[in-house]
Amino acid sequence: DAGVIQSPRHEVTEMGQEVTLRCKPISGHNSLFWYRQTMMRGLELLIYFNNNVPIDDSGMPEDRFSAKMPNASFSTLKIQPSEPRDSAVYFCASSPGTSGNTGELFFGEGSRLTVL
Amino acid sequence: DQQVKQNSPSLSVQEGRISILNCDYTNSMFDYFLWYKKYPAEGPTFLISISSIKDKNEDGRFTVFLNKSAKHLSLHIVPSQPGDSAVYFCAISRGYSSASKIIFGSGTRLSIRP
Repeated sequence: DAGVIQSPRHEVTEMGQEVTLRCKPISGHNSLFWYRQTMMRGLELLIYFNNNVPIDDSGMPEDRFSAKMPNASFSTLKIQPSEPRDSAVYFCASSPGTSGNTGELFFGEGSRLTVL
Repeated sequence: DQQVKQNSPSLSVQEGRISILNCDYTNSMFDYFLWYKKYPAEGPTFLISISSIKDKNEDGRFTVFLNKSAKHLSLHIVPSQPGDSAVYFCAISRGYSSASKIIFGSGTRLSIRP
């Protein structure tokens, strides 16, 4: 079975450019999460969706960040304009969302973003 | 406002001995406590969890202990093996529903030395 698929795996861009990260969750999973990993802050929750609806976006750093989930099989995280401090590994994760869910997430391999 | 804290950024343990990773949390309103393991260039993978109504859960070499009065969570690995070298994240989950918010700590890098 395919796991969570993220693209691109690596992105190098210049400050001011738009960056779009993509995620395909595991089929049948109802919840989708975007996390950012940095040395200083570990794994930060940016936003999460349930049944394609954003539930909590309080972790989104600022207006330069936006996330969408147009359907159950696709989500994007966009940064416009990008800044060097956005450099990090961005993870997408999905969860079955069944009753009694313990919070087990299935992560993609991450998208490493470098903003010069 | 850091709700989950892992105060030790790194830990080195000799192969065969016990590894103990610690985690503190600030909010009592969480239902599940989890540990994830992460290898370089890979996403985190679920390791073990514990419900807030229990104080211990064991799975093979891995045991998680929950001390609710101290708001403290620990992961014991015994015996430690070279393949256990990774970054370990503790996480807290609120609610049983699919809309649970899952918050991670900053991670502890475990190194198992020969």
